[in-house]
Amino acid sequence: GENVEQHPSTLSVQEGDSAVIKCTYSDSASNYFPWYKQELGKRPQLIIDIRSNVGEKKDQRIAVTLNKTAKHFSLHITETQPEDSAVYFCAALYNFNKFYFGSGTKLNVKP
Amino acid sequence: DSGVTQTPKHLITATGQRVTLRCSPRSGDLSVYWYQQSLDQGLQFLIQYYNGEERAKGNILERFSAQQFPDLHSELNLSSLELGDSALYFCASSPHGNSPADEQFFGPGTRLTVL
Repeated sequence: GENVEQHPSTLSVQEGDSAVIKCTYSDSASNYFPWYKQELGKRPQLIIDIRSNVGEKKDQRIAVTLNKTAKHFSLHITETQPEDSAVYFCAALYNFNKFYFGSGTKLNVKP
Repeated sequence: DSGVTQTPKHLITATGQRVTLRCSPRSGDLSVYWYQQSLDQGLQFLIQYYNGEERAKGNILERFSAQQFPDLHSELNLSSLELGDSALYFCASSPHGNSPADEQFFGPGTRLTVL
């Protein structure tokens, strides 16, 4: 099966700085990698995703990069704001039908 | 609001009991996924249904079962409950199966507390 590792588990940055969260996956057959943001007590919400035929995707202050050779993908948030504070989860779709999630990164953006 | 509904919102029960969690997907979505999120932990994929049929199984215990009905709503049944089953259970839906992969829309979750 698939194994997704996520680092760091907690990340504290100053408002305006960038934040980077990294995930590695084990199965080269994985082909879809979403990132979710979960605020305390709320549902996970998709913020960006990338498919295996693309190396980078950007949406305003958020970008995701994928290195298929190294089997890792990263979330980049620029110009962080206090409302970016949440837990972020990466995930990998394995064998077209199973989603495996990372253990989460708690991001704290200090004003 | 994602359009996915889950009931009940909270559930408190005792060890050894059985409970049923309900999920209604977004209108038109054919796939339903169930996840377990224990305190301060990530999401564990349990099971996926597509158009009434089981599509994929994750780390789902034998004490747990699920089904998807003709109207596409789904139920997750948890039996012989243990303290460790206390968690937030999320349902998510997507338009199709996973080929190509669809965005999943999560419901608000059901918080299960086993005493």
